[in-house]
Amino acid sequence: AQSVAQPEDQVNVAEGNPLTVKCTYSVSGNPYLFWYVQYPNRGLQFLLKYITGDNLVKGSYGFEAEFNKSQTSFHLKKPSALVSDSALYFCAVRDVLLIGSGAGSYQLTFGKGTKLSVIP
Amino acid sequence: GAGVSQSPSNKVTEKGKDVELRCDPISGHTALYWYRQSLGQGLEFLIYFQGNSAPDKSGLPSDRFSAERTGGSVSTLTIQRTQQEDSAVYLCASSRTTGLFYNEQFFGPGTRLTVL
Repeated sequence: AQSVAQPEDQVNVAEGNPLTVKCTYSVSGNPYLFWYVQYPNRGLQFLLKYITGDNLVKGSYGFEAEFNKSQTSFHLKKPSALVSDSALYFCAVRDVLLIGSGAGSYQLTFGKGTKLSVIP
Repeated sequence: GAGVSQSPSNKVTEKGKDVELRCDPISGHTALYWYRQSLGQGLEFLIYFQGNSAPDKSGLPSDRFSAERTGGSVSTLTIQRTQQEDSAVYLCASSRTTGLFYNEQFFGPGTRLTVL
């Protein structure tokens, strides 16, 4: 089974400071990992993904994430937070080993989300 | 626009009524997903369509829920005899599909369903 955990329900950071939103995952094979952001009353927007290759992935709006296989983590980071970054952030995983293995094998599994508040 | 669209944006219904939620995916996207997002919860997978293949219904919570996808494009999620616990935001997403399934999903704005 594949699973993902976002250990923090809420993260507060001052504007201009670096931010980190944590994500850990569990898979049987190799993971595809994704970060999405959801602004109020909006659908989810894709930020970045890890498939293979470089462990540091760069995405939209200055965000980046680092894949760490030994720690099974994929934390989202940004060097300098903006007030406009305040939103709900979701990490998601797909276990490559499970793809095509049966019912539910094509789904992404999402974490419960982390609410990021950037304080002016 | 070129994004995923959903209708209605809001739906208020009485317990026991049936509702239909519609999703128009991005043109050319063969994969379509429905999710349910409840307050304080993550996204719960409901159903997955891939082209003309039989859908993966493994996430549907009960037999009151059903979905179809006509002509490989528009999809309708139907909830029969709605219950208060069905109140949630229903999100639709579509993606291109490659054999390795690493393409990101594009989400619609969702339908907020309230069952009174």
